Amino acid sequence: EVQLVESGGGLVQPGGSLRLSCAASGFTFSSYEMNWVRQAPGKGLEWVSYISSSGSTIYNADSVKGRFTISRDNAKNSLYLQMNSLRGEDTAVYYCARVYGYSSSRGYYYYMDVWGRGTTVTVSS
Amino acid sequence: DIQMTQSPSSLSASVGDRVTITCRASQSISNYLNWYQQKLGKAPKLLIYTASSLQSGVPSRFSGSGSGTDFTLTISSLQPEDFATYYCQQSYSTPPITFGQGTRLEIK
Repeated sequence: EVQLVESGGGLVQPGGSLRLSCAASGFTFSSYEMNWVRQAPGKGLEWVSYISSSGSTIYNADSVKGRFTISRDNAKNSLYLQMNSLRGEDTAVYYCARVYGYSSSRGYYYYMDVWGRGTTVTVSS
Repeated sequence: DIQMTQSPSSLSASVGDRVTITCRASQSISNYLNWYQQKLGKAPKLLIYTASSLQSGVPSRFSGSGSGTDFTLTISSLQPEDFATYYCQQSYSTPPITFGQGTRLEIK
């Protein structure tokens, strides 16, 4: 079964750090790009970070640049999100999501076809 | 950045109704548009990709259409399990990946 399982969430004080993990199983993890997407309480979905299959290309949302670092260990089938200098507005459920991408004559298409159940991060004193 | 705007923000409908949700992009995105369904307390689920392609396992009552800046998600006959929040997402110009604000579909 194709599966993503996040862990590492919890309660942290403003200015603190947390490292999220996402364990992948049931597919060849090293072949897929990955995203982190978050959802603040009662709000919509917000993309956070992207990493290519090899880890050589990384993108971050402006809201987390300089504070969050995405990484992966293909040997361990794991994705990570190191979160530093946490703020109240980082409080959210964090999802990891697999990116399915393909090239066609019209360009490169992609979508997030597998999602984890999420891990909750609460930033509060 | 490309902004995605959904309408309506919320919608009340009855089982058996035909429902249409609209998503508008701030610039042309061709057919680089995906739709997701999210039930309360659950992870999002992919429904439609490249504007009109049905993801495997998704019931055929779901359909998507559109190109350029205007897109629609249609549910032909609402079922009880379809009451959820729906999000569109563009993949034309990234980063950043951007989502619509969501459309909450409620039982009338």
